[in-house]
Amino acid sequence: GAVVSQHPSWVICKSGTSVKIECRSLDFQATTMFWYRQFPKQSLMLMATSNEGSKATYEQGVEKDKFLINHASLTLSTLTVTSAHPEDSSFYICSATGSGTSGSQFFGPGTRLTVL
Amino acid sequence: AQSVTQLGSHVSVSEGALVLLRCNYSSSVPPYLFWYVQYPNQGLQLLLKYTSAATLVKGINGFEAEFKKSETSFHLTKPSAHMSDAAEYFCAVSDNTGGFKTIFGAGTRLFVKA
Repeated sequence: GAVVSQHPSWVICKSGTSVKIECRSLDFQATTMFWYRQFPKQSLMLMATSNEGSKATYEQGVEKDKFLINHASLTLSTLTVTSAHPEDSSFYICSATGSGTSGSQFFGPGTRLTVL
Repeated sequence: AQSVTQLGSHVSVSEGALVLLRCNYSSSVPPYLFWYVQYPNQGLQLLLKYTSAATLVKGINGFEAEFKKSETSFHLTKPSAHMSDAAEYFCAVSDNTGGFKTIFGAGTRLFVKA
């Protein structure tokens, strides 16, 4: 199956700093990428959908100025958590779909963000 | 709009027993349905998916699920549980509106007793 990677796998940062998380499709062109966050023992909540070359579409209640998403190429999307605070600590997971995936999404391994 | 309901946040079975995880969905158009498994601190792994072909879908690790349109269900089963099956399982639905946006159920934690 198609492979999606995320980097870093975990990050610890100080409150007020910004953190960038990368999501890459390794063996297919990801026309659409999705970003989710998952709180402990909870389900995945869709944050935003990004199409290559377009502005991301954010779900209701997600602050677009806080969670900056860029999908500049068919293999890379980035999520930047700006001015992070402890309540932003979470598990962030990306997924991608595109040519040859038959509509299935392939998930990255996730990034654990801890804000001190 | 799509939605997914997973009945039972926790399911406990004995090793060797039948596993049954329940999922009901709603969708205004024919859906794609998925089951994913998540081990602690890891991403999601696709177990199986239904995309309007055969209603009985076989997946990895001996799991299978049956799409029942009349019941709007997509329950996941495995004849004989193994200790390694202990994990969180998510049912999900998407359709070809909104760019295959996927909506996840709340998840069911499967415990397997020795």
